[in-house]
Amino acid sequence: DAKTTQPNSMESNEEEPVHLPCNHSTISGTDYIHWYRQLPSQGPEYVIHGLTSNVNNRMASLAIAEDRKSSTLILHRATLRDAAVYYCILKNSGGSNYKLTFGKGTLLTVNP
Amino acid sequence: EAGVAQSPRYKIIEKRQSVAFWCNPISGHATLYWYQQILGQGPKLLIQFQNNGVVDDSQLPKDRFSAERLKGVDSTLKIQPAKLEDSAVYLCASSLNRVTDTQYFGPGTRLTVL
Repeated sequence: DAKTTQPNSMESNEEEPVHLPCNHSTISGTDYIHWYRQLPSQGPEYVIHGLTSNVNNRMASLAIAEDRKSSTLILHRATLRDAAVYYCILKNSGGSNYKLTFGKGTLLTVNP
Repeated sequence: EAGVAQSPRYKIIEKRQSVAFWCNPISGHATLYWYQQILGQGPKLLIQFQNNGVVDDSQLPKDRFSAERLKGVDSTLKIQPAKLEDSAVYLCASSLNRVTDTQYFGPGTRLTVL
């Protein structure tokens, strides 16, 4: 499985934007970039995903580098409820193995 | 829309005992997953079902873990006998299909083996 590299932890202040980086230098052409987050004592939840173009939804934006070797999850205005572990995952759509392989993720702390 | 249901939420057992977890996926979701999450780590896939057939169980410790999804709806995961290192949160997830669709996770069952 292609691997991702994320910082262990990041800190932000409430109502400020947060940029969560992810490196995936061995990404293949059929790998989608998925982001999930896990709030304390809950199961992971889907945030956003993309292939080549930048993506926006109600929760966040995903900025993908032109060479696709890195991406950034952007929370436009962090709230205390955004404090969670954020996972960047590559999911292959071209083969027979479609599973999500989670790393340790980035623990985001949001200060009031 | 009801989410993925799991029970029990917490379970404490002694080593060498047996334990079973239950999962009811979102209605209509063909794919069901069981994950193990050890404290401080990301979830690790144990087994993946497509309807009532196993797609991937490569990381399931088959000497002690078993899972079934009869009738392609709800599923049970069993550990027999449990070891100390099985202490973890067991997460169930489901998706409409396994190719491109989003996975929806349940709240998990926290297992403590003493």
